[in-house]
Amino acid sequence: AQKITQTQPGMFVQEKEAVTLDCTYDTSDQSYGLFWYKQPSSGEMIFLIYQGSYDEQNATEGRYSLNFQKARKSANLVISASQLGDSAMYFCAMREVNSGNTPLVFGKGTRLSVIA
Amino acid sequence: GAVVSQHPSRVICKSGTSVKIECRSLDFQATTMFWYRQFPKQSLMLMATSNEGSKATYEQGVEKDKFLINHASLTLSTLTVTSAHPEDSSFYICSARPSRLAGGIGELFFGEGSRLTVL
Repeated sequence: AQKITQTQPGMFVQEKEAVTLDCTYDTSDQSYGLFWYKQPSSGEMIFLIYQGSYDEQNATEGRYSLNFQKARKSANLVISASQLGDSAMYFCAMREVNSGNTPLVFGKGTRLSVIA
Repeated sequence: GAVVSQHPSRVICKSGTSVKIECRSLDFQATTMFWYRQFPKQSLMLMATSNEGSKATYEQGVEKDKFLINHASLTLSTLTVTSAHPEDSSFYICSARPSRLAGGIGELFFGEGSRLTVL
């Protein structure tokens, strides 16, 4: 069974600073994807970034980067140059890869608050 | 990108009534859709996997007679909360991925979510 652990219920960061949101995972699958989603107060799920289990380089998408350490089973999200609009819930998730489409398994989330 | 639309976004109903929530993939076909439930300040929990043309697969602890799922076409799945009670009040959100991308690692696309309040 897959499991995602996010140990930071809440984080604060100063505007324009960088912040790291932690995520560790557990799976027996060899092929899987790791994802980060942002959920503002409106409830929508906004996809940020993903990392495939066989990707050797860390994924980056604009101000978002994923620090993937496979041996440690961690997939931390780094947000650089934080903006006030980054304040939201952030969920780490994973899904296995097989012949069909598989669901995402989510962590408990981290609430990020960006301070002016 | 792929678009998933959910309706209604908010619904308030009396205890004992049934509520139907629709999830549509607007620009792709999806043989599989997923229904999640989210309580306030908690994570998304998978309720069931909706399969086009066949019965849904429910997660452990989810009452299939309470949460009826119908996936009648490749672009529409519906979740009906039957005889709703206040404890069913929650945020329900669906997600899907194009069938043509099955087996790939990429992301799931989410609907906007439906906030159900049962009085």
